[in-house]
Amino acid sequence: DSGVTQTPKHLITATGQRVTLRCSPRSGDLSVYWYQQSLDQGLQFLIQYYNGEERAKGNILERFSAQQFPDLHSELNLSSLELGDSALYFCASSARTGSNEQFFGPGTRLTVL
Amino acid sequence: AQKVTQAQTEISVVEKEDVTLDCVYETRDTTYYLFWYKQPPSGELVFLIRRNSFDEQNEISGRYSWNFQKSTSSFNFTITASQVVDSAVYFCALSVFQGAQKLVFGQGTRLTINP
Repeated sequence: DSGVTQTPKHLITATGQRVTLRCSPRSGDLSVYWYQQSLDQGLQFLIQYYNGEERAKGNILERFSAQQFPDLHSELNLSSLELGDSALYFCASSARTGSNEQFFGPGTRLTVL
Repeated sequence: AQKVTQAQTEISVVEKEDVTLDCVYETRDTTYYLFWYKQPPSGELVFLIRRNSFDEQNEISGRYSWNFQKSTSSFNFTITASQVVDSAVYFCALSVFQGAQKLVFGQGTRLTINP
């Protein structure tokens, strides 16, 4: 158990819908990262937050957004969902920016029908 | 830009054999970190090791060992006396020190250990 929690574990929805994925980092970790794992793209970095502020953006679509709240939990919002958004979405946390190891949550498997 | 290549898509061996997973990376940064993660069938990503670019000492942890060679930009992972529980997808990843400390992952190597 990494100490990072993600909810829900599974999510099945329809095209055009909007969903919210939630992540709680390890106790004391200020940095949260979101990654997408799909069959065709592999594991890709989406976005990073540090202590409530956006720190870095990767290959995140404009239909996707995220935020980190004062209690340090983070949410990833995916809207106007398409079939190709079906993937495993991971959240990771680390104690600070810098290359401390990132500890990953169990992931949320999103299926768009 | 950074890149990680794991040329071996799938490896299948018989239990108790030794197996090496290859990882080659590209970066122009002089300070960087290399990682290995394990993804068992249950799906979570399990951290195995982190090395920084200034430490080329090989590391051994039980049946696991890692060989870091800057001259060839490689960070290979060897499992000695493999076990069925080692069956998983293994990812090599790279993170640079400056800027976004995102992890850049290789495509992964699916390792199957047959009894």
